[in-house]
Amino acid sequence: RKEVEQDPGPFNVPEGATVAFNCTYSNSASQSFFWYRQDCRKEPKLLMSVYSSGNEDGRFTAQLNRASQYISLLIRDSKLSDSATYLCVVNILGNQGGKLIFGQGTELSVKP
Amino acid sequence: SQTIHQWPATLVQPVGSPLSLECTVEGTSNPNLYWYRQAAGRGLQLLFYSVGIGQISSEVPQNLSASRPQDRQFILSSKKLLLSDSGFYLCAWSWGSGANVLTFGAGSRLTVL
Repeated sequence: RKEVEQDPGPFNVPEGATVAFNCTYSNSASQSFFWYRQDCRKEPKLLMSVYSSGNEDGRFTAQLNRASQYISLLIRDSKLSDSATYLCVVNILGNQGGKLIFGQGTELSVKP
Repeated sequence: SQTIHQWPATLVQPVGSPLSLECTVEGTSNPNLYWYRQAAGRGLQLLFYSVGIGQISSEVPQNLSASRPQDRQFILSSKKLLLSDSGFYLCAWSWGSGANVLTFGAGSRLTVL
């Protein structure tokens, strides 16, 4: 089993749609979780951290389910500019630095 | 504010040639440093990470090595490149403790011919 797995893509949605990405992780001791966004041929950039109680940033909502070891990202009212690859990231050794492992990414394409 | 610099941005190298990619971080001290590789159409693979000078952890057996000669400098090297070394190499840094948010450099795109 991979350490971090994401939904296979690509997701092709119309503008205004709601889209959800899921990510599962294998190490139950993982302490910190993130979603990153990567535009084509660019470096990944932090989209948002994922907190235990869930958190929202505008149209984006992230949730964590420790019991099931999965993380989700919900994007509401999709914009053309949301088209990118979304990467789930998990720290599998806890909070003292160390290894941050990326999922393989899910590509989102928002169409007019 | 903290900045991360990575160079060169693009390079084309023949098989069997050496490689040196450099990464430096400014505006912070004792960062965690990382090298990732992204093959075309694939996810990010962690190659090396370092929590301090001279401390390097290698994640996968491979043709590459890393060094951290100074606190804010991280170098990725190879003595002899393989075709399979082609990819997008990304350096990143994070704080030593806490949320571990990664900030990436702009990347180095390597093509081995």
